[in-house]
Amino acid sequence: GNSVTQMEGPVTLSEEAFLTINCTYTATGYPSLFWYVQYPGEGLQLLLKATKADDKGSNKGFEATYRKETTSFHLEKGSVQVSDSAVYFCALRGETSGSRLTFGEGTQLTVNP
Amino acid sequence: DTEVTQTPKHLVMGMTNKKSLKCEQHMGHRAMYWYKQKAKKPPELMFVYSYEKLSINESVPSRFSPECPNSSLLNLHLHALQPEDSALYLCASSQNPLAGPTQYFGPGTRLLVL
Repeated sequence: GNSVTQMEGPVTLSEEAFLTINCTYTATGYPSLFWYVQYPGEGLQLLLKATKADDKGSNKGFEATYRKETTSFHLEKGSVQVSDSAVYFCALRGETSGSRLTFGEGTQLTVNP
Repeated sequence: DTEVTQTPKHLVMGMTNKKSLKCEQHMGHRAMYWYKQKAKKPPELMFVYSYEKLSINESVPSRFSPECPNSSLLNLHLHALQPEDSALYLCASSQNPLAGPTQYFGPGTRLLVL
């Protein structure tokens, strides 16, 4: 079956530091890949997505590239801000999954001023 | 506009109460979802409606009863809940189950069962 593995948190960074949150997946074929962000007390917001290999999703300074050869979709940001403090979920939708999303366990990010 | 709205934002109910959660989207999406999220965990899928018909029920207890009155609205009726049902309930929608894979989530209803 499909699965998503995220780096364990929590991750604590200083403002303006470089961020990487690792995400690897197991799925047959070519799944669609997503990063969602959940700010404290809120629902999930779509941060970025990629639907085919070598696609790069980007939004709000965050980027992730769909790497079929390494089955990865790592999230990066060059300079984090305090306002980026949140939980980040990597997710996939398999080719044969219908409408099901498979989520990783989430990574808590705290950015200190 | 990628907005999914949910009401109420917070809900406290006793184990004998009946309440309903509401979800609305005006993006023309034809698939709508209910998820349950416990603290520090990813969302767990409960139900999927496709073209206003229930297509997935993830073996959810019958004290949760979904309803899709039309293509824009999704309800979750609650009855005789247990304290362990306390969680954040998220609604989501997507273009349709076979195309447009992106799900857009609402802000959630935080439910406390006493």
